[in-house]
Amino acid sequence: EDQVTQSPEALRLQEGESSSLNCSYTVSGLRGLFWYRQDPGKGPEFLFTLYSAGEEKEKERLKATLTKKESFLHITAPKPEDSATYLCAVYTSGTYKYIFGTGTRLKVLA
Amino acid sequence: DAGVTQSPTHLIKTRGQQVTLRCSPKSGHDTVSWYQQALGQGPQFIFQYYEEEERQRGNFPDRFSGHQFPNYSSELNVNALLLGDSALYLCASSLFDRSEEPQHFGDGTRLSIL
Repeated sequence: EDQVTQSPEALRLQEGESSSLNCSYTVSGLRGLFWYRQDPGKGPEFLFTLYSAGEEKEKERLKATLTKKESFLHITAPKPEDSATYLCAVYTSGTYKYIFGTGTRLKVLA
Repeated sequence: DAGVTQSPTHLIKTRGQQVTLRCSPKSGHDTVSWYQQALGQGPQFIFQYYEEEERQRGNFPDRFSGHQFPNYSSELNVNALLLGDSALYLCASSLFDRSEEPQHFGDGTRLSIL
């Protein structure tokens, strides 16, 4: 069964303290892996798509990487406005559906 | 360029009632997917509509039904509401022929069941 697991569930960082969020997946035929940011009471906002192992994408303080078993979202020198829930989702040729992880709740303290 | 819009933003119902939620996709998109997001959880796929037909379905009972209109907008209907149906209901739009591209989400409808 296709499965996506995110860790940690919650993370508290001081402003400027870099860290990484993990998304591990067990799927049949990965067609794409997506990272979204979700603020309270809002819908997920698209950040990155990764399609093949070794691929990397960057946007401001965020960098996403992909291996054959997991993806990392690296946050460099975070600011309080980076506080949000970060969701990982996969799209597979096995189910042709998007499967989401449960997310990592990030809190960056000033 | 209008993004995905959902209505209403909040809704309160009682057990046993029926509810209809509405979604207009992003301009240019032809596919609508619905998700249920319980508090502290990731979105769970309910179903997807394309060309006015249900194309994919997640593990949800047939109390959950939907419809897509010729203008690509969509409705989610839930009958015989249960307390456990309380959640944020998200609509996402995409292009059917580019399903490997990211979906675009609306801000959801917060449904509370009393």
